[in-house]
Amino acid sequence: GAVVSQHPSWVICKSGTSVKIECRSLDFQATTMFWYRQFPKQSLMLMATSNEGSKATYEQGVEKDKFLINHASLTLSTLTVTSAHPEDSSFYICSAPRTVNTGELFFGEGSRLTVL
Amino acid sequence: GENVEQHPSTLSVQEGDSAVIKCTYSDSASNYFPWYKQELGKRPQLIIDIRSNVGEKKDQRIAVTLNKTAKHFSLHITETQPEDSAVYFCAASILTGGGNKLTFGTGTQLKVEL
Repeated sequence: GAVVSQHPSWVICKSGTSVKIECRSLDFQATTMFWYRQFPKQSLMLMATSNEGSKATYEQGVEKDKFLINHASLTLSTLTVTSAHPEDSSFYICSAPRTVNTGELFFGEGSRLTVL
Repeated sequence: GENVEQHPSTLSVQEGDSAVIKCTYSDSASNYFPWYKQELGKRPQLIIDIRSNVGEKKDQRIAVTLNKTAKHFSLHITETQPEDSAVYFCAASILTGGGNKLTFGTGTQLKVEL
């Protein structure tokens, strides 16, 4: 199957700092990528849709100025958590469809963020 | 927007028994329904999916049924094995030219006991 890689897999940072997470599609081009957040023992909640060459679309309740998304190429989307706080500690997972209408989403390994 | 409900939240079965997980969705326009298996700390893995133009799909020990009228779909795992223990998520979406924006259910923790 298609491969989506995410980096870093885990990160610990101090409160108030910014953290960047990268999501790459390794063997296909992705004009769209999705960023999810998963708190412990909870479901995956869609945060935003990353669109190559244009602005991301954010879900209701997600602060676009806090969670900056850049999709500068067909194989890379980045999520930057700015001015991180302990409540931002979570598992962040990206995903991408190999082709637009196949349905199947391929997920990255996830990035576990811990804000101290 | 779409709302997906999933039951039960936890399910414990004996090895060899069957397990059934049920989901309902709210948006009648949804036409794609995947099921994902997630082991602790790992990425979700697609195990089976179904589109709205069919009512049932089977892949070895796993099957999914869809009732569009009632807006619910179910996952059936037969002859369960310890390695089936994981969290299972259902999801729903509308496949469009803009991609596949999935709405996930709340998850079911399946435990297969020896």
